[in-house]
Amino acid sequence: GDSVTQMEGPVTLSEEACLTINCTYTATGYPSLFWYVQYPGEGLQLLLKATKADDKGSNKGFEATYRKETTSFHLEKGSVQVSDSAVYFCARFSGSARQLTFGSGTQLTVLP
Amino acid sequence: NAGVTQTPKFQVLKTGQSMTLQCAQDMNHNSMYWYRQDPGMGLRLIYYSASEGTTDKGEVPNGYNVSRLNKREFSLRLESAAPSQTSVYFCASIRSLAGDTGELFFGEGSRLTVL
Repeated sequence: GDSVTQMEGPVTLSEEACLTINCTYTATGYPSLFWYVQYPGEGLQLLLKATKADDKGSNKGFEATYRKETTSFHLEKGSVQVSDSAVYFCARFSGSARQLTFGSGTQLTVLP
Repeated sequence: NAGVTQTPKFQVLKTGQSMTLQCAQDMNHNSMYWYRQDPGMGLRLIYYSASEGTTDKGEVPNGYNVSRLNKREFSLRLESAAPSQTSVYFCASIRSLAGDTGELFFGEGSRLTVL
């Protein structure tokens, strides 16, 4: 079935460090890909998305590129801030099944 | 806009008790979902409702029932709660129109503890 494999955490970085969180997905069909973010005590919010191969999603300084050849959608940010501390989830959407499948989540802590 | 509203936000139950989690959305969305979130396991789909009047099992449906009361509301019921159902539950919704790319809108979550 559909699955998403995400880099395990937790990840701890110093402010202004570079961030990469790896994500790979099963290649069944042509899924849309997402990164959601969950701040402490809150629900999930959409961070960015890409709907087809080679699309780049971006928001709040985060970027991810839909790589069909490597079935990957890695999340990157050049300079993290303390306010970026959260749990990040990679997800794929199957249009035919109308379901969103999540990775296990990566806890990011950014220290001042 | 309220978006997706879940109640209650916190609940403590004893093993064997029953309860219902309520979810309502005011975005005129067609599809609604219930997920549970457990440490290290991401979000797992319990049940979903593709449209009013339909419900389908997700990845982990055992021990749960759902009701799509109308287009706005989708409730999750635990008939006989077990400690394994201690989790954070999230309701979500999506428009589900042709060409929809799959952005779900989530509620703030309901934290359930079963003793």
